[in-house]
Amino acid sequence: GAGVSQSPSNKVTEKGKDVELRCDPISGHTALYWYRQRLGQGLEFLIYFQGNSAPDKSGLPSDRFSAERTGESVSTLTIQRTQQEDSAVYLCASSANGGIQGQGYEQYFGPGTRLTVT
Amino acid sequence: RKEVEQDPGPFNVPEGATVAFNCTYSNSASQSFFWYRQDCRKEPKLLMSVYSSGNEDGRFTAQLNRASQYISLLIRDSKLSDSATYLCGLGGGSARQLTFGSGTQLTVLP
Repeated sequence: GAGVSQSPSNKVTEKGKDVELRCDPISGHTALYWYRQRLGQGLEFLIYFQGNSAPDKSGLPSDRFSAERTGESVSTLTIQRTQQEDSAVYLCASSANGGIQGQGYEQYFGPGTRLTVT
Repeated sequence: RKEVEQDPGPFNVPEGATVAFNCTYSNSASQSFFWYRQDCRKEPKLLMSVYSSGNEDGRFTAQLNRASQYISLLIRDSKLSDSATYLCGLGGGSARQLTFGSGTQLTVLP
C-alpha cells in the first residue's frame, strides 16, 4: 500500500519567510510524528499527534513552530519567520497505534522535506 | 550523558565480514526497541524490531540486554548493499515518540 508522503520534497526560502510542510500518513495509522534531522545528525523529535487527543508539543524548539492535524489525516508543520538554523530535513512518520503508554509501535517515515533557509 | 548513544563509526568492513553495533540507553523505562537503516539523503527505513528474546531476520540478528541497557545488531556475511547508517530507536515510558541515536555508519568494501 501507499507509504507516508510529504510535500514539498525540497523547499528553499529566504530568512524571515513562513513555510508550510505537509504530511500524508499511511491510511489507518492513528499516530503521526514530526522529526527534524540536521545534516550529519540524529533525529530530533518535534511533535506527536494521536487521534483526537491533544498533541504532544514538547519537542518544538520555539514558538515559531506549530503543527496541525485534522482527525487522523493530513498534518501540516508551519515554521514562521524562518531562520538559517531551521535548515534541515523535516521527517514525518506514522504508526498504527502509539497511544498505549509504555509501548511504542513501529514508525514508518516519509521521504522528508529538505528545507534550506538562505 | 545522552539518552541513547551509538558509536558513530565509520565501520569499514570487507564483503562477507560479520559486523556488530551496539546502542546503549539510559532510560530504564524504555519498552520498545527498533533498528532503522538510513541511506544517504534518504529517510530511515525500519529494519527490525528488537524483542526481549532476540530476533533474527536472515543475515540480521538483534538482541536486547535489559540488565546492561543496550541493544545490538549483528550483520553476517555483509554485502555491499548493507552500506548505510544504522539508527537505533527507543520508545516507551512516558513518551510515545521514539528517541534515536545519532547512528552508526557502515561501509562494506569490495
